[in-house]
Amino acid sequence: DIVMTQSPDSLAVSLGERATINCKSGRSVFSTSYNENFLAWYQQKPGQPPKLLVYSASTRKSGVPDRFSGSGSGTDFALTISSLQAEDVALYYCQQYISAPLTFGGGTKVEIE
Amino acid sequence: EVQLVESGGGLVLPGGSLRLSCAASGFTFSNHWMNWVRQAPGKGLEWVANIKKDGSEKYYVDSVKGRFTISRDNAQNSLSLQMSSLRAEDTAVYYCAGGQGFLIENWGQGTLVTVSS
Repeated sequence: DIVMTQSPDSLAVSLGERATINCKSGRSVFSTSYNENFLAWYQQKPGQPPKLLVYSASTRKSGVPDRFSGSGSGTDFALTISSLQAEDVALYYCQQYISAPLTFGGGTKVEIE
Repeated sequence: EVQLVESGGGLVLPGGSLRLSCAASGFTFSNHWMNWVRQAPGKGLEWVANIKKDGSEKYYVDSVKGRFTISRDNAQNSLSLQMSSLRAEDTAVYYCAGGQGFLIENWGQGTLVTVSS
């Protein structure tokens, strides 16, 4: 199984400032066949299901604000919120989908400082 | 609009069984892999199982193998999860979710399963 490790567990950022969440996979999630990293980021607000933000490590889903960006390749990835807004307070999860069992990181709680 | 609506959750005794269902609409169900993902109270996300578009492949997390069975009916646009030999640690909100390949793009609102005596 591919273990996904997120850091930090939580972070508090001032409104308008940058927030960065890191995600490390136990082995590479890059597919040479597809030339693609099978890494996704989800946002979950209290009482709601998760929402897909980014897939293929760096492709924003349609409708997701461009302040959200994903980066990285192989085993090391990051989700950056360039200018934190109040509505971005949530839990964020990374997930690998290159092989079953699909696995999630432990989550990072983003709060306003 | 994509809609995934789960049903069938509830309170069940340890060792008991429960069948979850998910009604899909707003997209071509037979073109999507479908998943069950769960979230224990106050905990993170755990993928449970998925099933290929035509039902020919199924995968499970080790902790539910032999106890849970995922199935789908493309004619009825529905997904199911038959759960047996339930344990306290199976207590969670169960989400129906789907997408292209293994990517999970859409999620339902979830249904709560509580295993307790």
